[in-house]
Amino acid sequence: EAQVTQNPRYLITVTGKKLTVTCSQNMNHEYMSWYRQDPGLGLRQIYYSMNVEVTDKGDVPEGYKVSRKEKRNFPLILESPSPNQTSLYFCASSSPGTSGRSYEQYFGPGTRLTVT
Amino acid sequence: SQQGEEDPQALSIQEGENATMNCSYKTSINNLQWYRQNSGRGLVHLILIRSNEREKHSGRLRVTLDTSKKSSSLLITASRAADTASYFCATAGSGNTGKLIFGQGTTLQVKP
Repeated sequence: EAQVTQNPRYLITVTGKKLTVTCSQNMNHEYMSWYRQDPGLGLRQIYYSMNVEVTDKGDVPEGYKVSRKEKRNFPLILESPSPNQTSLYFCASSSPGTSGRSYEQYFGPGTRLTVT
Repeated sequence: SQQGEEDPQALSIQEGENATMNCSYKTSINNLQWYRQNSGRGLVHLILIRSNEREKHSGRLRVTLDTSKKSSSLLITASRAADTASYFCATAGSGNTGKLIFGQGTTLQVKP
C-alpha cells in the first residue's frame, strides 16, 4: 500500500530536549516536505527536499533541521524545542507526475507535538 | 507565505444540499489542487486542475478555475454527512519545484 508514515504520532516533551520526527514514504517520490498546521494559520511549509541531499527552507524554517540521506526518509529535527513549536506536523511526498509538474502530495497521518 | 484565501471560512448545510467553496490566489500557477482533511488527520488529495483547464469533474466534485480572476471554486453536489471535513486549495507555481502553497481552508459541516 502506498503510504507516508510518521513517528511518533503524539509527543509531549520539555523545552530544550532534542527530538526527531521520522517520515518515510514507499512510493519512490523525489519530493518530500514538512508542514506545520496551527489554528487560523493553515498549513505552512517548514522545509522541503527535491531529492537526496537536496533540501531547502520553506516559509517557517527557524528552529528546525532536516536531512535527506535516503530517498524514502526525511526526518525533521528540533535541536532545542520551544513552546511555540507546539503544533500538528505533517510530512508529505510527491513526484512530478506524468505531466512533469503535477506534484500531487501524499500526506502522512500527522504528529501532534506539545512542548512544555 | 499564504497564497490561497478561502471563502467562506466555515459552511454549514443540510445533507443533500450542494456546498460551494471558493479560493483566490495571487501569483501565476501551473495547477491548483483541492485537498480534504478530516479532523486532525492528514490531508487527502481530491482533484487537480491545470492552468489551461477551466472545469473538471470527479464524482460529486466539480472544480472551476478562472486564471483571469485568479480564483477557483469547489462544488460538492448532493452532500453527505461523511463530507464533513476541512477543504483546502493549494497552488503549484510555474516553477518546477514541487512546492504547494495552501490556503487556510473551509470547514464544512453537513448535518444529517
